[in-house]
Amino acid sequence: GAVVSQHPSWVICKSGTSVKIECRSLDFQATTMFWYRQFPKQSLMLMATSNEGSKATYEQGVEKDKFLINHASLTLSTLTVTSAHPEDSSFYICSARDLLWNIQYFGAGTRLSVL
Amino acid sequence: AQTVTQSQPEMSVQEAETVTLSCTYDTSENNYYLFWYKQPPSRQMILVIRQEAYKQQNATENRFSVNFQKAAKSFSLKISDSQLGDTAMYFCAFEGSGGYQKVTFGTGTKLQVIP
Repeated sequence: GAVVSQHPSWVICKSGTSVKIECRSLDFQATTMFWYRQFPKQSLMLMATSNEGSKATYEQGVEKDKFLINHASLTLSTLTVTSAHPEDSSFYICSARDLLWNIQYFGAGTRLSVL
Repeated sequence: AQTVTQSQPEMSVQEAETVTLSCTYDTSENNYYLFWYKQPPSRQMILVIRQEAYKQQNATENRFSVNFQKAAKSFSLKISDSQLGDTAMYFCAFEGSGGYQKVTFGTGTKLQVIP
């Protein structure tokens, strides 16, 4: 299957700082990428849909000024957690849609710990 | 809105035996896609199997097969000859057709394969 690279895999930061997470589709172009948040022992919660060349679409209850998404190319989307606080600590997962097969391929996830 | 229900929070199976994970969904759409994803302890989401609603034939991938009952809106996953590496969380997921559709995930079933 296709490969989606997500970086970093684990990040620890101080409260009030910003953190950027990258999601790259390595062997296919993805006009649409998705960002999820997963709490321990729970399912994936969609945060936003990232569309190449346009603004992201955020799910209800997700602060767009807090979670900045940029999808500047067909292979890269970034999620920036601005002014992170301990309650933002979580596991963040990205996925990229392969249009040819209509399958979402997932990154390995990023564990964010805010101190 | 679509909903996906997995009624078995946890299941266990003896190595080499067969186990079936249940999933039901609710939708008013006629064309859609259904998926089973596996999330092992590494937390990397891995596509196990995919079913297109317009196809009557049940999808199979080696030891994994589905029982797709469109009228009943049921999509169960059968794992044959269970292996220790099958130990993971399994998520059932639904995606409507028409492009740029979000994927809705069930709450997951934690499967433990016992040696």
